[in-house]
Amino acid sequence: AQSVTQLGSHVSVSEGALVLLRCNYSSSVPPYLFWYVQYPNQGLQLLLKYTSAATLVKGINGFEAEFKKSETSFHLTKPSAHMSDAAEYFCAVTEAGTASKLTFGTGTRLQVTL
Amino acid sequence: DADVTQTPRNRITKTGKRIMLECSQTKGHDRMYWYRQDPGLGLRLIYYSFDVKDINKGEISDGYSVSRQAQAKFSLSLESAIPNQTALYFCATSAARGLAGVVDTQYFGPGTRLTVL
Repeated sequence: AQSVTQLGSHVSVSEGALVLLRCNYSSSVPPYLFWYVQYPNQGLQLLLKYTSAATLVKGINGFEAEFKKSETSFHLTKPSAHMSDAAEYFCAVTEAGTASKLTFGTGTRLQVTL
Repeated sequence: DADVTQTPRNRITKTGKRIMLECSQTKGHDRMYWYRQDPGLGLRLIYYSFDVKDINKGEISDGYSVSRQAQAKFSLSLESAIPNQTALYFCATSAARGLAGVVDTQYFGPGTRLTVL
């Protein structure tokens, strides 16, 4: 069965600092991995996705994530945080043959301070 | 106009009442999903539908039912609401490309905040 673990329910960074949000997955077959962002009072918006092509995936708003099979990780990074990045971030996994059903992590709330 | 809309956006109801949450999409997608979001638990799948005649239970379907009235409409019902169904509910859609191994992105609506007193 597929699962996702997000380490750290809350992460706080200073504006301009590196953002690192951690995601580890468990999957019995090659996974497909997603990062979604949820701004306050809004639905989820796709940041980026990994679908077995390039292991370094670039997304919107300057975010990127690297798929590391040996570490079963798909951490989300951004070199320089902006105040507008404050939101909740969800990692999700699915597998080919599971009808695209997503399994979500519990989320990480990112706070950006001045 | 938003591609995935949900109505109502907010609802407060009492224990035992029947509630229907509605989802409509203009993306032309075949697949639709209902999730609930609880603090600290992320999103969990309630039901999903691949077309009008194909409806499937997710991991937490007890206490819920759904109806796929048309390709573009997918409703979630709580027959007799209880307080632990208080949550944020999301509808999502994705295309069905029919290609083996292809996983399509899910697109989410803005959510419905439901409070059961």
